[in-house]
Amino acid sequence: EPEVTQTPSHQVTQMGQEVILRCVPISNHLYFYWYRQILGQKVEFLVSFYNNEISEKSEIFDDQFSVERPDGSNFTLKIRSTKLEDSAMYFCASQGLLRYNEQFFGPGTRLTVL
Amino acid sequence: EDKVVQSPLSLVVHEGDTVTLNCSYEVTNFRSLLWYKQEKKAPTFLFMLTSSGIEKKSGRLSSILDKKELFSILNITATQTGDSAVYLCAVVGNFNKFYFGSGTKLNVKP
Repeated sequence: EPEVTQTPSHQVTQMGQEVILRCVPISNHLYFYWYRQILGQKVEFLVSFYNNEISEKSEIFDDQFSVERPDGSNFTLKIRSTKLEDSAMYFCASQGLLRYNEQFFGPGTRLTVL
Repeated sequence: EDKVVQSPLSLVVHEGDTVTLNCSYEVTNFRSLLWYKQEKKAPTFLFMLTSSGIEKKSGRLSSILDKKELFSILNITATQTGDSAVYLCAVVGNFNKFYFGSGTKLNVKP
């Protein structure tokens, strides 16, 4: 069964460094999302992406964040200058049109900012 | 402000019990409500509900939506220890934006 994959599974970085989190969505899906979940807290929506552009973003998704689909398969989340409070699990999800609104989540990347 | 509220926050039951998890919402331009099960890592999809009064069923799990009263319930009958997880409710609103509740942590004891 097709699945969403994410790399790396765990990323440790120093405060102020840039990180890129990578996701490979399910191949025929059209909508892509990033979420984060701070330890012990609820899942929070960051951004949705469709047709090669951002369709919606939350208040959390400020200028430090950007998303890209550089090559038609990967979907990346970049954090330009990480802060301690960016430490969280970041989930990518993808969604097709046939099973509208059913999202498939990747396994997540745990980001630790020191 | 759009929000999704789940109750209870946590629940401890014994194997064989039946549980009902609640999700109420206030979301502009409601499109659908989804239930997920989150064990160690990523949420896994359980149900998507768009219409009131139509029960979705999968094995021992079932769910129903009430769009008039703005809530949904997730029922699990004959619970097993493998049902122990956090159950998440998410509501889709404007522009395909997802709003998640805080989850209900279910602990099923043998």
